[in-house]
Amino acid sequence: DIQMTQSPSSLSASVGDRVTITCRASQSISIYLNWYQQKPGKAPNLLIYAASSLQSGVPSRFSGSGSGTDFTLTISSLQPEDFAIYYCQQSYSTPLTFGQGTKVDIK
Amino acid sequence: QVQLQESGPGLVKPSETLSLTCTVSGGSIGSYYWSWIRQPPGKGLEWIGYIHHTGSTNYNPSLKSRLTISIATSENQFSLKLSSVTAADTAVYYCARIVPGGSSWDYFDYWGQGFLVTVSS
Repeated sequence: DIQMTQSPSSLSASVGDRVTITCRASQSISIYLNWYQQKPGKAPNLLIYAASSLQSGVPSRFSGSGSGTDFTLTISSLQPEDFAIYYCQQSYSTPLTFGQGTKVDIK
Repeated sequence: QVQLQESGPGLVKPSETLSLTCTVSGGSIGSYYWSWIRQPPGKGLEWIGYIHHTGSTNYNPSLKSRLTISIATSENQFSLKLSSVTAADTAVYYCARIVPGGSSWDYFDYWGQGFLVTVSS
């Protein structure tokens, strides 16, 4: 199985901050990496697919980059509705696997 | 707008079989892949498996011996059966659509709201 490791596990930030979350794969996964946002009591919501493609309807302050084993999700200017848990997920091979999540909360 | 809704018993006894159904509305179940994902309380996400509308499946090896995913295209539903459950199977179970499906480009674009299943006597 491909292991996905996110860092940090949690972070505190203020509205307007630039936030970067990292996801590292245990082997090369090309660009087959997706990002999701999950709010309490809700299902995850797709933000980014194929490492850098923005899902329709997702604000442009979200962006993704990377290839191979190292990927980043960036929120250019954190908004109040962005406080949530973020997960990366690899689709290079099955079993599909997720990172452990990064919780973004209010400083 | 595609919508997915999980349903089934919310409480299952240890050693019994967990059964859930996902009903898809706002679109046809045909031509797509459909998946189950679970999340133990306070923990991360685990992919369970997926099924194509033709009935072909791909299961997580960690659950494969206990798992059956099936599809009823005429009813726009797909189902999950997990046998011999223990407390470790307590989780919120999500159904989701995969696009494009069966490839390395796959991602989950529509999700159900989630359904908590508790394994307890």
